[in-house]
Amino acid sequence: QKEVEQNSGPLSVPEGAIASLNCTYSDRGSQSFFWYRQYSGKSPELIMFIYSNGDKEDGRFTAQLNKASQYVSLLIRDSQPSDSATYLCAVIQASGGSYIPTFGRGTSLIVHP
Amino acid sequence: NAGVMQNPRHLVRRRGQEARLRCSPMKGHSHVYWYRQLPEEGLKFMVYLQKENIIDESGMPKERFSAEFPKEGPSILRIQQVVRGDSAAYFCASSPRLGALGGSSYNEQFFGPGTRLTVL
Repeated sequence: QKEVEQNSGPLSVPEGAIASLNCTYSDRGSQSFFWYRQYSGKSPELIMFIYSNGDKEDGRFTAQLNKASQYVSLLIRDSQPSDSATYLCAVIQASGGSYIPTFGRGTSLIVHP
Repeated sequence: NAGVMQNPRHLVRRRGQEARLRCSPMKGHSHVYWYRQLPEEGLKFMVYLQKENIIDESGMPKERFSAEFPKEGPSILRIQQVVRGDSAAYFCASSPRLGALGGSSYNEQFFGPGTRLTVL
């Protein structure tokens, strides 16, 4: 059973701070990792993907992957109230030809002014 | 520049009726995925299709649910004899291809706006 775990939150941070969102996964064969943002009542929107150990930066967002510890995190620098949303972690195990992502339940982020 | 399109955006059905949800993938995308999301829950995979083929339907309930992606036209998720428990948001996502990058695999999915199904 593939599992992707996220703290449901809410995670509350002040405007301008760094928000740190974490995700752990159970399947060691996982190879691709995605972060989606979902505003209330809207559809998920892809923020970043990462597949190699280490950090990947894109603007204010940094994804960090540690395959040995089986976790992936998303850092949001200079958090803005507009970043308030639910952040979904998704993991794909490529072996066996199945590219179906498993999603976590998401972490609710609140950035307060 | 059309993204993934879904219709209807909102659908109300009475118990026992049929619900048909449509999804048109992004231009150039040949892979379609259907997900269901209940309030306060994550996305649950239902079915993965390519044109005229069901690739993986491991997340689809065995009864009342079916999906297709014909050679022409949108993908359709069909729910027969709906029950109140079917009330949820149904999202479709599309991707351009499966691929390998640096020895790993990746599969970016782009989501449609969803169909909110309410069963009375």
